[in-house]
Amino acid sequence: RKEVEQDPGPFNVPEGATVAFNCTYSNSASQSFFWYRQDCRKEPKLLMSVYSSGNEDGRFTAQLNRASQYISLLIRDSKLSDSATYLCVVNIGGGADGLTFGKGTHLIIQP
Amino acid sequence: DAGITQSPRHKVTETGTPVTLRCHQTENHRYMYWYRQDPGHGLRLIHYSYGVKDTDKGEVSDGYSVSRSKTEDFLLTLESATSSQTSVYFCAIQSLAGDEYEQYFGPGTRLTVT
Repeated sequence: RKEVEQDPGPFNVPEGATVAFNCTYSNSASQSFFWYRQDCRKEPKLLMSVYSSGNEDGRFTAQLNRASQYISLLIRDSKLSDSATYLCVVNIGGGADGLTFGKGTHLIIQP
Repeated sequence: DAGITQSPRHKVTETGTPVTLRCHQTENHRYMYWYRQDPGHGLRLIHYSYGVKDTDKGEVSDGYSVSRSKTEDFLLTLESATSSQTSVYFCAIQSLAGDEYEQYFGPGTRLTVT
C-alpha cells in the first residue's frame, strides 16, 4: 500500500467553481500534513500546513481526518491561476528526516 | 523566498561520468535535503543533512553521496552517472514554524544522463 495516495486527475473545473481533493495516508503515526503546489517545471511551493482543527487561508481550506487517515483541500471561487499540481505531503515521524510526497493531483481551471 | 539556489540548473552528461550538484542557502538553516522527482513518482528523498558533516540516507540513496562541509552548502554527487539517474533534483531546507517543520525548495536541477 502506498504511503500517500492521491487521485492524479486531471480535474477540469470551470473558473469560479469550487473544487476539492482528498489524499489518504497509510501510516497512522503520521504527525504533520501539508499541501504543496507545483507549477509545470517549477519547484514545489508550500501552500498550507494542515492542522487537526482544520485551517483556512483565503479561498483555500484544509481539513485533517485522523480517524479515516485523510486530508482534504478545498478551493473556492477557483481562478485560472490555480491551475497547477497539488501535492499532498506527510511528515510521518514529525521530525526532520524528510517528507513523504503523494504523486500529486493535476488541476486545470478552464475559462 | 527561502534563499536557496541550485547549480547548475541544467546539465547533460554521459553515462559513467561523475556529476556534482550544489545547493546553497543563505539563511543558516540546519537541515538540508536532496530529493529527486520522476514521472509517476512523488518526490523521493535521496539524502539529508542535519548539520555540518552530519548526513543520513533517504529512500533512494544508492548511487549517490553527499557532503556538507559548511552550513550553507550541501553537495550531491553521482560518482558514476547512469541513465536511471536522469531526473529533476530538488534541494530543500527545513525551518521550524511554530510547532511544525516546514520545507522550502530550491528551483531544481534538470539532469540528463545520455
